[in-house]
Amino acid sequence: EVQLLESGGGLVQPGGSLRISCAASGFTFNIYAMSWVRQAPGRGLEWVSAIGASGDSTYYADSVKSRFTISRDNSKNTLYLQLNSLRVEDTAVYYCAKNLASYSNYIDYWGQGTLVTVSS
Amino acid sequence: SSELTQDPAVSVALGQTVRITCQGDSLRSYYASWYQQKPGQAPVFVIYGKNNRPSGIPDRFSGSSSGNTASLTITGAQAEDEADYYCNSRDSTGNHVVFGGGTKLTVL
Repeated sequence: EVQLLESGGGLVQPGGSLRISCAASGFTFNIYAMSWVRQAPGRGLEWVSAIGASGDSTYYADSVKSRFTISRDNSKNTLYLQLNSLRVEDTAVYYCAKNLASYSNYIDYWGQGTLVTVSS
Repeated sequence: SSELTQDPAVSVALGQTVRITCQGDSLRSYYASWYQQKPGQAPVFVIYGKNNRPSGIPDRFSGSSSGNTASLTITGAQAEDEADYYCNSRDSTGNHVVFGGGTKLTVL
Protein backbone atom coordinates (compact mmCIF):
# COMPACT_ATOMS: atom_id res chain seq x y z
CA GLU A 1 0.00 0.00 0.00
CA VAL A 2 1.37 3.38 -1.03
CA GLN A 3 1.78 5.73 1.92
CA LEU A 4 2.97 9.33 1.88
CA LEU A 5 3.43 10.95 5.28
CA GLU A 6 4.17 14.65 5.41
CA SER A 7 5.73 16.40 8.39
CA GLY A 8 7.35 19.68 9.34
CA GLY A 9 4.50 22.11 8.88
CA GLY A 10 3.77 24.83 11.40
CA LEU A 11 3.55 28.53 12.10
CA VAL A 12 6.27 30.77 10.69
CA GLN A 13 6.63 34.53 10.41
CA PRO A 14 6.69 36.32 7.06
CA GLY A 15 10.19 36.18 5.63
CA GLY A 16 10.96 33.01 7.55
CA SER A 17 11.92 29.53 6.42
CA LEU A 18 10.67 26.00 6.91
CA ARG A 19 11.50 22.56 5.55
CA ILE A 20 8.73 20.06 5.09
CA SER A 21 9.31 16.37 4.48
CA CYS A 22 7.44 13.43 3.05
CA ALA A 23 8.26 9.85 4.02
CA ALA A 24 7.23 7.44 1.29
CA SER A 25 6.56 3.72 1.54
CA GLY A 26 4.80 0.93 -0.30
CA PHE A 27 6.43 1.53 -3.69
CA THR A 28 9.86 1.76 -5.30
CA PHE A 29 10.51 5.40 -4.50
CA ASN A 30 13.54 5.90 -6.75
CA ILE A 31 11.75 5.20 -10.04
CA TYR A 32 8.94 7.76 -9.72
CA ALA A 33 8.79 11.51 -10.08
CA MET A 34 7.30 13.27 -7.07
CA SER A 35 5.41 16.52 -6.62
CA TRP A 36 4.22 19.06 -4.08
CA VAL A 37 0.75 20.56 -4.46
CA ARG A 38 -0.73 23.09 -2.06
CA GLN A 39 -4.21 24.24 -1.13
CA ALA A 40 -4.85 27.53 0.63
CA PRO A 41 -7.76 27.51 3.12
CA GLY A 42 -11.04 27.35 1.23
CA ARG A 43 -9.28 27.53 -2.14
CA GLY A 44 -8.40 25.19 -4.98
CA LEU A 45 -5.36 23.06 -5.70
CA GLU A 46 -2.15 24.75 -6.83
CA TRP A 47 0.82 22.83 -8.24
CA VAL A 48 4.03 23.95 -6.52
CA SER A 49 6.96 21.83 -7.66
CA ALA A 50 8.08 18.47 -9.02
CA ILE A 51 11.27 16.44 -9.18
CA GLY A 52 12.37 13.62 -11.43
CA ALA A 53 13.09 10.13 -10.14
CA SER A 54 16.84 10.62 -9.84
CA GLY A 55 16.57 14.18 -8.55
CA ASP A 56 18.37 15.67 -11.53
CA SER A 57 15.34 17.48 -12.93
CA THR A 58 13.31 19.97 -10.94
CA TYR A 59 10.31 22.11 -11.84
CA TYR A 60 8.69 25.06 -10.06
CA ALA A 61 5.59 27.19 -10.31
CA ASP A 62 6.41 30.81 -11.06
CA SER A 63 4.87 31.81 -7.71
CA VAL A 64 7.56 29.93 -5.75
CA LYS A 65 10.54 29.85 -8.11
CA SER A 66 13.74 31.10 -6.44
CA ARG A 67 12.12 30.83 -2.97
CA PHE A 68 11.35 27.11 -2.69
CA THR A 69 13.67 24.17 -3.33
CA ILE A 70 12.53 20.61 -3.92
CA SER A 71 14.88 17.70 -3.26
CA ARG A 72 14.79 14.00 -2.51
CA ASP A 73 16.90 11.40 -0.74
CA ASN A 74 16.30 8.09 -2.49
CA SER A 75 18.32 6.24 0.18
CA LYS A 76 15.76 7.40 2.77
CA ASN A 77 12.65 7.30 0.54
CA THR A 78 12.02 10.90 1.49
CA LEU A 79 10.93 14.00 -0.42
CA TYR A 80 11.64 17.50 0.84
CA LEU A 81 10.52 21.06 0.17
CA GLN A 82 12.59 23.93 1.54
CA LEU A 83 10.43 27.04 1.83
CA ASN A 84 12.33 30.35 2.13
CA SER A 85 11.25 33.99 2.13
CA LEU A 86 7.77 32.91 3.12
CA ARG A 87 4.79 35.16 2.46
CA VAL A 88 1.33 35.27 3.99
CA GLU A 89 -0.04 33.96 0.69
CA ASP A 90 2.05 30.79 1.05
CA THR A 91 -0.28 29.70 3.87
CA ALA A 92 -1.74 26.37 2.75
CA VAL A 93 -1.92 22.65 3.25
CA TYR A 94 1.03 21.19 1.36
CA TYR A 95 0.42 17.79 -0.17
CA CYS A 96 3.17 15.38 -1.09
CA ALA A 97 2.18 13.48 -4.22
CA LYS A 98 3.50 10.60 -6.29
CA ASN A 99 3.52 10.90 -10.06
CA LEU A 100 2.14 8.04 -12.12
CA ALA A 101 5.55 7.55 -13.74
CA SER A 102 7.92 10.22 -15.02
CA TYR A 103 7.21 13.93 -14.61
CA SER A 104 3.72 14.73 -15.88
CA ASN A 105 0.41 16.06 -14.64
CA TYR A 106 -0.73 12.56 -13.63
CA ILE A 107 -0.62 12.27 -9.83
CA ASP A 108 -1.82 8.90 -8.60
CA TYR A 109 -1.28 9.10 -4.82
CA TRP A 110 -1.49 11.95 -2.34
CA GLY A 111 -0.50 12.31 1.29
CA GLN A 112 -2.84 13.80 3.88
CA GLY A 113 -0.97 17.10 3.85
CA THR A 114 0.88 19.32 6.30
CA LEU A 115 -0.34 22.82 7.16
CA VAL A 116 2.04 25.74 6.76
CA THR A 117 0.80 28.98 8.30
CA VAL A 118 2.66 32.20 7.57
CA SER A 119 1.62 34.91 9.97
CA SER A 120 3.07 37.51 12.29
CA SER B 1 -2.17 30.45 -21.85
CA SER B 2 -1.51 28.46 -18.69
CA GLU B 3 -5.05 28.64 -17.35
CA LEU B 4 -7.66 25.94 -17.04
CA THR B 5 -11.26 27.06 -16.56
CA GLN B 6 -13.96 25.07 -14.78
CA ASP B 7 -17.54 25.93 -13.86
CA PRO B 8 -17.58 26.70 -10.11
CA ALA B 9 -20.63 24.56 -9.38
CA VAL B 10 -22.73 21.89 -11.04
CA SER B 11 -25.67 19.86 -9.76
CA VAL B 12 -27.17 16.55 -10.81
CA ALA B 13 -30.15 14.49 -9.73
CA LEU B 14 -29.38 11.17 -8.12
CA GLY B 15 -28.89 8.51 -10.77
CA GLN B 16 -28.62 10.97 -13.65
CA THR B 17 -25.62 11.80 -15.83
CA VAL B 18 -23.46 14.86 -15.35
CA ARG B 19 -20.56 16.29 -17.35
CA ILE B 20 -17.92 18.48 -15.76
CA THR B 21 -15.79 20.45 -18.19
CA CYS B 22 -12.32 21.97 -18.20
CA GLN B 23 -11.18 24.45 -20.84
CA GLY B 24 -7.73 25.66 -21.74
CA ASP B 25 -5.41 26.12 -24.68
CA SER B 26 -2.92 23.58 -23.33
CA LEU B 27 -5.58 20.86 -23.65
CA ARG B 28 -5.03 20.95 -27.40
CA SER B 29 -1.58 19.48 -26.72
CA TYR B 30 -1.85 17.61 -23.42
CA TYR B 31 -4.41 15.29 -21.89
CA ALA B 32 -6.06 16.33 -18.65
CA SER B 33 -6.33 14.29 -15.50
CA TRP B 34 -9.14 14.56 -12.97
CA TYR B 35 -9.24 14.50 -9.17
CA GLN B 36 -12.08 14.13 -6.68
CA GLN B 37 -11.76 15.85 -3.31
CA LYS B 38 -14.20 15.49 -0.44
CA PRO B 39 -14.17 17.90 2.53
CA GLY B 40 -11.19 17.42 4.80
CA GLN B 41 -9.65 14.76 2.58
CA ALA B 42 -6.79 14.54 0.11
CA PRO B 43 -7.60 14.46 -3.60
CA VAL B 44 -8.22 11.14 -5.32
CA PHE B 45 -7.04 10.37 -8.87
CA VAL B 46 -10.08 9.42 -10.98
CA ILE B 47 -9.27 9.79 -14.71
CA TYR B 48 -6.13 10.31 -16.79
CA GLY B 49 -5.06 10.32 -20.40
CA LYS B 50 -7.52 9.68 -23.18
CA ASN B 51 -9.94 7.87 -20.83
CA ASN B 52 -8.14 5.77 -18.23
CA ARG B 53 -9.44 4.91 -14.78
CA PRO B 54 -7.03 4.04 -11.97
CA SER B 55 -7.70 0.84 -10.10
CA GLY B 56 -10.65 1.14 -7.74
CA ILE B 57 -12.44 3.95 -9.57
CA PRO B 58 -16.00 2.96 -10.52
CA ASP B 59 -16.74 2.64 -14.22
CA ARG B 60 -19.44 5.30 -13.98
CA PHE B 61 -16.55 7.78 -14.24
CA SER B 62 -15.25 8.46 -17.75
CA GLY B 63 -13.21 11.09 -19.53
CA SER B 64 -13.11 12.63 -22.98
CA SER B 65 -11.42 15.46 -24.79
CA SER B 66 -12.14 17.61 -27.84
CA GLY B 67 -10.17 20.63 -28.94
CA ASN B 68 -9.49 22.83 -25.94
CA THR B 69 -12.01 21.08 -23.67
CA ALA B 70 -11.64 18.06 -21.44
CA SER B 71 -14.68 16.49 -19.79
CA LEU B 72 -15.35 14.23 -16.86
CA THR B 73 -18.66 12.37 -17.11
CA ILE B 74 -20.38 10.57 -14.26
CA THR B 75 -23.06 8.23 -15.60
CA GLY B 76 -25.59 7.46 -12.88
CA ALA B 77 -24.34 9.83 -10.19
CA GLN B 78 -24.40 8.53 -6.63
CA ALA B 79 -24.69 10.44 -3.38
CA GLU B 80 -21.05 9.61 -2.59
CA ASP B 81 -19.95 11.41 -5.76
CA GLU B 82 -20.76 14.76 -4.18
CA ALA B 83 -17.37 16.44 -4.01
CA ASP B 84 -15.07 19.01 -5.58
CA TYR B 85 -13.56 17.97 -8.90
CA TYR B 86 -10.33 19.37 -10.30
CA CYS B 87 -8.75 18.99 -13.71
CA ASN B 88 -5.08 19.49 -14.40
CA SER B 89 -2.75 19.46 -17.37
CA ARG B 90 0.66 20.64 -18.43
CA ASP B 91 0.81 24.31 -19.36
CA SER B 92 1.49 25.39 -22.94
CA THR B 93 5.26 25.22 -22.44
CA GLY B 94 5.02 21.67 -21.10
CA ASN B 95 7.27 22.58 -18.19
CA HIS B 96 4.66 23.33 -15.56
CA VAL B 97 1.51 21.69 -14.27
CA VAL B 98 -1.67 23.72 -13.89
CA PHE B 99 -4.93 22.98 -12.09
CA GLY B 100 -8.37 24.23 -12.90
CA GLY B 101 -10.21 26.19 -10.25
CA GLY B 102 -12.41 23.23 -9.35
CA THR B 103 -16.09 22.35 -9.73
CA LYS B 104 -18.31 21.69 -6.73
CA LEU B 105 -20.68 18.85 -7.63
CA THR B 106 -23.94 18.61 -5.73
CA VAL B 107 -26.02 15.44 -6.03
CA LEU B 108 -29.68 16.26 -5.44
